[in-house]
Amino acid sequence: GDSVTQMEGPVTLSEEAFLTINCTYTATGYPSLFWYVQYPGEGLQLLLKATKADDKGSNKGFEATYRKETTSFHLEKGSVQVSDSAVYFCALSVISGGYNKLIFGAGTRLAVHP
Amino acid sequence: NAGVTQTPKFRILKIGQSMTLQCTQDMNHNYMYWYRQDPGMGLKLIYYSVGAGITDKGEVPNGYNVSRSTTEDFPLRLELAAPSQTSVYFCASKRGIADTQYFGPGTRLTVL
Repeated sequence: GDSVTQMEGPVTLSEEAFLTINCTYTATGYPSLFWYVQYPGEGLQLLLKATKADDKGSNKGFEATYRKETTSFHLEKGSVQVSDSAVYFCALSVISGGYNKLIFGAGTRLAVHP
Repeated sequence: NAGVTQTPKFRILKIGQSMTLQCTQDMNHNYMYWYRQDPGMGLKLIYYSVGAGITDKGEVPNGYNVSRSTTEDFPLRLELAAPSQTSVYFCASKRGIADTQYFGPGTRLTVL
């Protein structure tokens, strides 16, 4: 079935370090792909998305490219800040059972220290 | 705009008690969703609605009920609370089938 696999956390980085969080997916058809971020005590917020192969989503210095050949959507940021500390969820959207369904990965916790 | 609001923020229930988690959105969205998030896990869909008067089950509906009498409100009912229902519950909404989901801040529920 459709699924999303993310790298396990926590990921601990120093401020200004380079970030990669790996995400791969399994899906029939052509899903849209998303990264959501959850700051402590808050709900999920959409960070970026890509709706077709080779699309690059970007926001707040984060970016991810939809790679159909490797079924991946890795999240990257060139220089992280302490304020980026949060849990990051990769997700895909498919039509399943007659409705549009979001399937989430388990989440990756990022901790950035000064 | 308030977006998606949820009440309460926190609740502790005893086994067998019932409660309703409230969700309201002011964006005139057609689609609404309830998810649960267990520790270290992604979100699992409990129920969803494609419009007022229409609801359907998601992946993990057992032990829950929903109703959608208005476009704005989508309450989630737990009839006989069990420890397995200890979780954080998120409500979400979106306008159309291809649009982005917007999430509420969540309700943390503990069943003892």
